[in-house]
Amino acid sequence: NAGVTQTPKFQVLKTGQSMTLQCAQDMNHNSMYWYRQDPGMGLRLIYYSASEGTTDKGEVPNGYNVSRLNKREFSLRLESAAPSQTSVYFCASRDRTYRDTQYFGPGTRLTVL
Amino acid sequence: QQQVKQSPQSLIVQKGGISIINCAYENTAFDYFPWYQQFPGKGPALLIAIRPDVSEKKEGRFTISFNKSAKQFSLHIMDSQPGDSATYFCAASKSGANNLFFGTGTRLTVIP
Repeated sequence: NAGVTQTPKFQVLKTGQSMTLQCAQDMNHNSMYWYRQDPGMGLRLIYYSASEGTTDKGEVPNGYNVSRLNKREFSLRLESAAPSQTSVYFCASRDRTYRDTQYFGPGTRLTVL
Repeated sequence: QQQVKQSPQSLIVQKGGISIINCAYENTAFDYFPWYQQFPGKGPALLIAIRPDVSEKKEGRFTISFNKSAKQFSLHIMDSQPGDSATYFCAASKSGANNLFFGTGTRLTVIP
């Protein structure tokens, strides 16, 4: 099992450019999440998908869109990147049956110039 | 508004010492309190978790202490080792909810 995979690992964008962060999980979990991690702010939820076909806003959704393509894949799109979106982005999937664990991917480090 | 407040921001402990990280919450509906451990360049991973029906949970050198009346919980790492050097996040949620609220993290450094 690969667990949760994310691509790319690193990305540099110019202000106004767009990009999509990809996430996939092979654990057959229903719920998936996108977080951003910033120094001193911990992990903040951007969007989540409780099940295939549904998505909901988290704490900091502005400037982002998501797509739950199927049960395995959950992508995060930045339509017009801003320097304030410079962050490390983590995707996670959730196992409600085992200690309600969230399994995190390795992260994408995004810099917006 | 931070749903879970965590302290200290950073902690330096000698090898063999006890590391203590504290968290506090306001929402009395929270009933699940996990701790996540994150090594540099990696995603967080679940370390240990507690529900409020018990006041303490121990797994090896890691113990969660829970004080429901004070709305506080803490992570104790006994016999701290250099390999424990990482960032630790407390979190909280309520049963059936989709959101997990994280604290701001504590960077632990264990010096030999």
